[in-house]
Amino acid sequence: GAVVSQHPSWVICKSGTSVKIECRSLDFQATTMFWYRQFPKQSLMLMATSNEGSKATYEQGVEKDKFLINHASLTLSTLTVTSAHPEDSSFYICSARRGVGYTFGSGTRLTVV
Amino acid sequence: QQQVKQSPQSLIVQKGGISIINCAYENTAFDYFPWYQQFPGKGPALLIAIRPDVSEKKEGRFTISFNKSAKQFSLHIMDSQPGDSATYFCAASDDGLTFGKGTHLIIQP
Repeated sequence: GAVVSQHPSWVICKSGTSVKIECRSLDFQATTMFWYRQFPKQSLMLMATSNEGSKATYEQGVEKDKFLINHASLTLSTLTVTSAHPEDSSFYICSARRGVGYTFGSGTRLTVV
Repeated sequence: QQQVKQSPQSLIVQKGGISIINCAYENTAFDYFPWYQQFPGKGPALLIAIRPDVSEKKEGRFTISFNKSAKQFSLHIMDSQPGDSATYFCAASDDGLTFGKGTHLIIQP
């Protein structure tokens, strides 16, 4: 149980374009989902907390107009990187809370060229 | 301020040995302490977790030891195998997860 599916697993986009990443809870309803960013050989950095039906809460220093989060249903949260630039290249990971535990997606490797 | 401090940053253990990773936390409101294993290019996978009312939890070769008064907890991997080579993160949660910086573990055959 408690599976989180994240797509795509990798994406390459041109600078200035937008990219959408999907995170789905497959066998449970997730009222809260989390989006992380991870640079090589570093830990996960929380970007934002996504609550179904309400606005996401962004961590300090994360541009909410650049990283658009939508959590329109209890099983789907999306992260859209708008006007992507090479410095946005990173590994993005979503997570959903179920009870006291957290389940992570498999991550999305974004490369902006 | 780093709320969860993890050490060592990297660790090399011989096959069959015991791997030990330590974490310390600041926030006494944390009430859930998981350990995650991450392979390159993959998301973290839950390995084992503990609540603060328990001092030790064992699942197979993996054991968490928890010292509430010292605000420390550790992961022990017994009979370490090459397949255990990965990055390990401790974390702590009250309302969301706070991660340690990770330990890159290499098990030498």
